[in-house]
Amino acid sequence: NAGVTQTPKFRILKIGQSMTLQCAQDMNHNYMYWYRQDPGMGLKLIYYSVGAGITDKGEVPNGYNVSRSTTEDFPLRLELAAPSQTSVYFCASSEQGAPNTEAFFGQGTRLTVV
Amino acid sequence: DQQVKQNSPSLSVQEGRISILNCDYTNSMFDYFLWYKKYPAEGPTFLISISSIKDKNEDGRFTVFLNKSAKHLSLHIVPSQPGDSAVYFCAATQQTGANNLFFGTGTRLTVIP
Repeated sequence: NAGVTQTPKFRILKIGQSMTLQCAQDMNHNYMYWYRQDPGMGLKLIYYSVGAGITDKGEVPNGYNVSRSTTEDFPLRLELAAPSQTSVYFCASSEQGAPNTEAFFGQGTRLTVV
Repeated sequence: DQQVKQNSPSLSVQEGRISILNCDYTNSMFDYFLWYKKYPAEGPTFLISISSIKDKNEDGRFTVFLNKSAKHLSLHIVPSQPGDSAVYFCAATQQTGANNLFFGTGTRLTVIP
């Protein structure tokens, strides 16, 4: 089982560039999440989705956009990359909302903005 | 503002001994708590959880204890094994109306053979 797949694993961006972090899950989960983890910090929620066509902001949404056109995919878009967005990004999915069941995480994308 | 805190960045334990990882939280609305384990270059994986209606939950070698009055929980691993070496994250949330997990900063456990 593939579970949650994130691409790319690593990326270096220049300030002002844009990119899309891809996330796909094959478990037919309704809930999907994007977290970021800064060095020495816990994971913080950027955006989440409770189903296709429905997205909502998390704790730290500024500078990001998401879409959820299918159950399987939940891409995260950075429009104008800034050094503050240097982080490790994790996508996750769960069958129910976060409190009710554990989330399954992808391997992460390490992004450096220079 | 860190609502979930893990004050020990690292912990080293001999194989076969008990590992105790601690976690404190500040938000009294949290009523569901989880522990995740993370190996290098991998995403976190769920380990064990506990609801606030309990004070203990056990799963094999892993036991989580919850002290609501102190807003404190701990993860006990007995006996510790070298394969347990990883970063452990504590997370907290509300069981109703919430879709976010609030994570601690993690504790790196090293089990020495």
